[in-house]
Amino acid sequence: ETGVTQSPTHLIKTRGQQVTLRCSSQSGHNTVSWYQQALGQGPQFIFQYYREEENGRGNFPPRFSGLQFPNYSSELNVNALELDDSALYLCASSPRDRVRGYTFGSGTRLTVV
Amino acid sequence: ELKVEQNPLFLSMQEGKNYTIYCNYSTTSDRLYWYRQDPGKSLESLFVLLSNGAVKQEGRLMASLDTKARLSTLHITAAVHDLSATYFCAVDDSGNTPLVFGKGTRLSVIA
Repeated sequence: ETGVTQSPTHLIKTRGQQVTLRCSSQSGHNTVSWYQQALGQGPQFIFQYYREEENGRGNFPPRFSGLQFPNYSSELNVNALELDDSALYLCASSPRDRVRGYTFGSGTRLTVV
Repeated sequence: ELKVEQNPLFLSMQEGKNYTIYCNYSTTSDRLYWYRQDPGKSLESLFVLLSNGAVKQEGRLMASLDTKARLSTLHITAAVHDLSATYFCAVDDSGNTPLVFGKGTRLSVIA
């Protein structure tokens, strides 16, 4: 089975710009979650999608938005980038029952300068 | 609000020694996950614990879950250098709530 694929792997953006990160979920997984991990911290939940609908959101401002597509792949969009948005962004997919837990992608390292 | 606390946050162990990492959480949940993260890398799933009393072992690592005490442990037996990494526990309530992570335990195994 294929795992979770994220693109790009690294990205450098300027403050104020917009960015789109992409995630292909593992085959058979219909739930996708996005996490932000700052250096030296645990991952923080951004939002989750189930069957193309947002199904939970963490404490992130509206400039963080997302989409899930019919094939369960997903995008994370961040507008008006700030320096504090620099982090590792992780996508995780799971089946609805989470019996085998969540599978994480390799992440996108975003640097905002 | 679900809170997850790990301790210790930093652990330096000698090769060959045993040690335990603790994970406490604040609400009733019967699903707990352990992940490993190497520097600059993503999260690798180690264990999925789905019920009270669950115990799982893989190599030198063994994880257990006590849902009544809201406690999970990750026990390391005869540590080797390759185990050096950051270990996270994470909990979810029902799948409609997010996976909440502890702050992680940074393990360093030294000769």
